[in-house]
Amino acid sequence: QKEVEQNSGPLSVPEGAIASLNCTYSDRGSQSFFWYRQYSGKSPELIMFIYSNGDKEDGRFTAQLNKASQYVSLLIRDSQPSDSATYLCAPEAGSGNTPLVFGKGTRLSVIA
Amino acid sequence: NAGVTQTPKFRILKIGQSMTLQCTQDMNHNYMYWYRQDPGMGLKLIYYSVGAGITDKGEVPNGYNVSRSTTEDFPLRLELAAPSQTSVYFCASSHPIGSGNTIYFGEGSWLTVV
Repeated sequence: QKEVEQNSGPLSVPEGAIASLNCTYSDRGSQSFFWYRQYSGKSPELIMFIYSNGDKEDGRFTAQLNKASQYVSLLIRDSQPSDSATYLCAPEAGSGNTPLVFGKGTRLSVIA
Repeated sequence: NAGVTQTPKFRILKIGQSMTLQCTQDMNHNYMYWYRQDPGMGLKLIYYSVGAGITDKGEVPNGYNVSRSTTEDFPLRLELAAPSQTSVYFCASSHPIGSGNTIYFGEGSWLTVV
């Protein structure tokens, strides 16, 4: 079982600030990770996929992966009220057929 | 742009009743999944399938059954509904995992057992 831990929040940041969301995992075999965003009452949607140590940037979003320390994070720059949602971290299964095991998610609230 | 389609969207069941949540996808994905999400909680995997005729248990399979007779369809059967099965159910599909393939989710089915 690929255990994933996330702070459930809520994490409150002012509009325009940087929001930092963190995820730790227990399985050293986990090589790559997804970040999904879920608005209240909606289904999750993919934001980022990262498989290499270091940073991966996509617009205002930056995913960071540190395999040695077993954590992955998501930074949201210039946070907007529309970023208010729950962010779910999930390790990709890697080889084999085991599907994603999601963390509980961190609820982000961006205050205008 | 159908993607993953779930029906029904909302349903109220009485304790002990049975029902089937329907899920179909038009992306020719081999992998399909059923997750449940309780209020304020993360997604828990119920069952998954890596292709027609193949299904496997996830984290929380008790009280559910699935079948996969075609690539497109992956129905979830609830037998003898219990209040603990009150939840939002998400069906999802993807190409084979292990290559960064996105999982696409349906819009969810809200189930209440009373």
